[in-house]
Amino acid sequence: QVQLVQSGAEVKKPGSSVKVSCKASGGTVSSYAISWVRQAPGQGLEWLGGIIPLFDTAYYAQKFQGRVTITADESTGTAYMELSSLRSEDTAVYFCARGTYYYDSRGHGFGWIDPWGQGTLVTVSS
Amino acid sequence: DIVMTQSPDSLAVSLGERATINCKSSQSVFYSSNNNNYLAWYQQKPGQPPKLLFYWASTRESGVPDRFSGSGSGTDFTLTISSLQAEDVAVYYCQQYYSAPLTFGGGTKVEIK
Repeated sequence: QVQLVQSGAEVKKPGSSVKVSCKASGGTVSSYAISWVRQAPGQGLEWLGGIIPLFDTAYYAQKFQGRVTITADESTGTAYMELSSLRSEDTAVYFCARGTYYYDSRGHGFGWIDPWGQGTLVTVSS
Repeated sequence: DIVMTQSPDSLAVSLGERATINCKSSQSVFYSSNNNNYLAWYQQKPGQPPKLLFYWASTRESGVPDRFSGSGSGTDFTLTISSLQAEDVAVYYCQQYYSAPLTFGGGTKVEIK
């Protein structure tokens, strides 16, 4: 059973960047989609974007376009999410998750998400 | 983007009673070419990541108790817990994967009355 192990909590200054890692133990990242989802304190779930290594495809939610970069290193089974120009509103728990992708007559896309990493708390504070 | 709206925001149900959570999408997530609804349900307990319950709107993930059921099509979906147990206290989210960006409902908190 694959487990996703994320890097530890981070405290960052406004305007800086953070890079969170997510290693798949007992499995791979190359045959699946990898999504990054965040959850602000006491709030719901928000998808930042994802990558499908098999199709060499990364997709970013428009809200985060230009600020987020998602990559996957298939050789080490590790995915990364880098978020730049941090502001206080970016304080949240960031989850990586390995998910499915589908291929239908419209093309390929991101499917449901499971399993999830344990989450990484990123605090942005001056 | 497809907007997902859940109702109610919270509900309190007695042990052994039925809990019903609704999820509505701003556009249909049904794809007629393959007859599938591109909708998933998750359960999140405090301090834990979400856990997948259903995909394709009604396909139960392995290990999920059969007191949980998912139903609906098009734009209207329902998650039902037929007999609420103490361990079901959690926040439940729906999520569409019909088109990127993936979007989630705001969540429904289920508590014991």
